[in-house]
Amino acid sequence: DTGVSQNPRHKITKRGQNVTFRCDPISEHNRLYWYRQTLGQGPEFLTYFQNEAQLEKSRLLSDRFSAERPKGSFSTLEIQRTEQGDSAMYLCASSPTAPGTGELFFGEGSRLTVL
Amino acid sequence: TQLLEQSPQFLSIQEGENLTVYCNSSSVFSSLQWYRQEPGEGPVLLVTVVTGGEVKKLKRLTFQFGDARKDSSLHITAAQPGDTGLYLCAGARGSNYKLTFGKGTLLTVNP
Repeated sequence: DTGVSQNPRHKITKRGQNVTFRCDPISEHNRLYWYRQTLGQGPEFLTYFQNEAQLEKSRLLSDRFSAERPKGSFSTLEIQRTEQGDSAMYLCASSPTAPGTGELFFGEGSRLTVL
Repeated sequence: TQLLEQSPQFLSIQEGENLTVYCNSSSVFSSLQWYRQEPGEGPVLLVTVVTGGEVKKLKRLTFQFGDARKDSSLHITAAQPGDTGLYLCAGARGSNYKLTFGKGTLLTVNP
């Protein structure tokens, strides 16, 4: 399967713990995105990479959140000192071109539950 | 601020019925995409519309982009249980690489 891969698919953690999610995009895609989706909402933009450069971060991404894409391939999203409000589905997507003309290829998501 | 308003939020119909869902905004988008999302999965692109007034058909699905590129509609003919899912519209503005998503329309088609 050469689609976008995310892991873990599910993570349950206690408040205050750190969690890390990994995304492996489609190999030839140089753009990678993180979105967050809560129940009853559409996905909300978190951050965007073009190759290894993080070009934009949403105001939703507080100081407790950090994303990296060190070699322009896979990406990690770390949440430090998790809070119950961080519970959500974290979606990774990749694309070879700007989304205005192409499409975003989403992974299956990593669902975080903070107790 | 929700830039894209989708309606209805929930829709439950019987197999064979027709339906239309709407995506409206006060903002102009350079393009608009429709995605379908099943529980526990990521969204999957159905179509991208770019030109004002554009109509695209995908089997039983018909997508329309408003003339002013502020709104769009998705019409499904003779809905089937396999059409069940969350339908999301998403807009791109200019060369902006960010998509703004609506909250979605949760469609249930009962056999």
